[in-house]
Amino acid sequence: DTGVSQDPRHKITKRGQNVTFRCDPISEHNRLYWYRQTLGQGPEFLTYFQNEAQLEKSRLLSDRFSAERPKGSFSTLEIQRTEQGDSAMYLCASSLFVRKNTEAFFGQGTRLTVV
Amino acid sequence: EDQVTQSPEALRLQEGESSSLNCSYTVSGLRGLFWYRQDPGKGPEFLFTLYSAGEEKEKERLKATLTKKESFLHITAPKPEDSATYLCAVQATLTQGGSEKLVFGKGTKLTVNP
Repeated sequence: DTGVSQDPRHKITKRGQNVTFRCDPISEHNRLYWYRQTLGQGPEFLTYFQNEAQLEKSRLLSDRFSAERPKGSFSTLEIQRTEQGDSAMYLCASSLFVRKNTEAFFGQGTRLTVV
Repeated sequence: EDQVTQSPEALRLQEGESSSLNCSYTVSGLRGLFWYRQDPGKGPEFLFTLYSAGEEKEKERLKATLTKKESFLHITAPKPEDSATYLCAVQATLTQGGSEKLVFGKGTKLTVNP
């Protein structure tokens, strides 16, 4: 399968714990995005990378959230001191940018439940 | 601020009953309008990109159209397997203060009964 891969698919954690999610983009794609989706809502943008550089962050991305993309390949999204309001589906997407951006393709998401 | 409003929120059709979903948008300058399909518990699946008013794209029973203020997703003779949530998103032009992010609507949940 050459699509966007996310791990884990589901995560249950206790409030106050730290969690980390991983995203492997489509291999030739140089852009990687993180979105968050809650029930009944559309995805909301969190941040994106071009290669290893984090170029944009949403105001939604509090200082408890950090994302990395070392070497411009896979990416990780870490949430520190989780809160119940962090419960959501975390979606990763990737695209190819060469003078013009192609469509973003999404992974299956990581469903986070904070209890 | 860029906004996307989709209607209706939910739509129930009989198999073979054609209909349209609406996506109204407000954006400083449109770089692209995107349609995605999302099945329960899964990530959005890309369907179409439209770039300028008057553009149309088709894929099987789906046809997307674009005007300066809205886009329609027409579903012709739908089948039960077309049941899903259909999401619309816009991307603003960078020269008008836009960013690389997609701004999504809340989606239309389509149910097609056999």
